[in-house]
Amino acid sequence: SQQGEEDPQALSIQEGENATMNCSYKTSINNLQWYRQNSGRGLVHLILIRSNEREKHSGRLRVTLDTSKKSSSLLITASRAADTASYFCATDARNQGGKLIFGQGTELSVKP
Amino acid sequence: KAGVTQTPRYLIKTRGQQVTLSCSPISGHRSVSWYQQTPGQGLQFLFEYFSETQRNKGNFPGRFSGRQFSNSRSEMNVSTLELGDSALYLCASSRDPTSDTQYFGPGTRLTVL
Repeated sequence: SQQGEEDPQALSIQEGENATMNCSYKTSINNLQWYRQNSGRGLVHLILIRSNEREKHSGRLRVTLDTSKKSSSLLITASRAADTASYFCATDARNQGGKLIFGQGTELSVKP
Repeated sequence: KAGVTQTPRYLIKTRGQQVTLSCSPISGHRSVSWYQQTPGQGLQFLFEYFSETQRNKGNFPGRFSGRQFSNSRSEMNVSTLELGDSALYLCASSRDPTSDTQYFGPGTRLTVL
């Protein structure tokens, strides 16, 4: 079963614009991760934020986590056509070992 | 360091057959997890192996099974294939079950006709 939902399901923007994706989850977590998937291929790990962190940056990526609202957001700044992909959040829920629970994903299209 | 490799990359089977998929983790990684991805259900956890032992199992029927070998390589098997088993099967590895980040392979695309 899915941990939560991602919103929007699809997002289309122009190159250079910022893209924001949101993720909600249901149970308490150890950490939350974001992954990217290009057209039916494997997932690429982007960034991990721990439950005691509120914000994290990696290059053009900014992730926030609000554990009181059980939500996270991923911001991609100055997007490029190469950022076109599906983005998934995944939680490593407490007491569930190494199991990752994924959201449904946001399909991002960046037009040149 | 080589990434996670999965074989075969594509597979076509007919209903009722069985299939075995293989995953070789990153060198030094001893934990392997399997996930099924379908358009309808999204990414769902199948099972996790560490030290040749299954640690966790998702909500899938007994037709789905797996194992891990002493060199950490893992296989999953699906018996009596159904049309609904058509999916992308992804393998992920990490150093151990407590590692936060999992590294995914390219997946095996299984089509059941």
